[in-house]
Amino acid sequence: GAGVSQSPSNKVTEKGKDVELRCDPISGHTALYWYRQSLGQGLEFLIYFQGNSAPDKSGLPSDRFSAERTGGSVSTLTIQRTQQEDSAVYLCASSSGQGDETQYFGPGTRLLVL
Amino acid sequence: GQNIDQPTEMTATEGAIVQINCTYQTSGFNGLFWYQQHAGEAPTFLSYNVLDGLEEKGRFSSFLSRSKGYSYLLLKELQMKDSASYLCAVGDTGGFKTIFGAGTRLFVKA
Repeated sequence: GAGVSQSPSNKVTEKGKDVELRCDPISGHTALYWYRQSLGQGLEFLIYFQGNSAPDKSGLPSDRFSAERTGGSVSTLTIQRTQQEDSAVYLCASSSGQGDETQYFGPGTRLLVL
Repeated sequence: GQNIDQPTEMTATEGAIVQINCTYQTSGFNGLFWYQQHAGEAPTFLSYNVLDGLEEKGRFSSFLSRSKGYSYLLLKELQMKDSASYLCAVGDTGGFKTIFGAGTRLFVKA
């Protein structure tokens, strides 16, 4: 079946604007994760969703960041009042949630804040 | 605190063997993952260890020692296409949160 998809693939925005990043997980996967990766750096955990449980938001860097997952499938990561330090690749991943927690990653959204 | 350490860069020769080490100190443990990430691409899964010992999968093997908080990824018969970053990641106990190391950039030279 289809893998994880993300949109847009690239986003250029001006400082202070809001942006929305979308993730479509693999069908049937109950766990969904958001990460941020700055150039040449490792993955920084942001948030994950598992089924109907409350999401783990412990990695969100500030209250400008929020995410939701509607209907247990598609997720949207919103960054309000973007800052230049928000520029990074935002990666989404999903896993089955059935014990095998191998994560399957989407291609990412490259965000550039001018 | 949560800490995962791996070398920043390694260089090896085509056809050779390379071992990439990872040490971790995490509050919980629910398995250790290795992912491969080519430049400009998303990470892809390589291996998962939850019990001590060696897991072999083709040219790639992964080892885990939970008592030592240590893992390594072994790549045999290196090929140019193995040039990539290799990410060590630890799964948190009782949940799905995964902590990633900064990655090791491997350069394979002819």
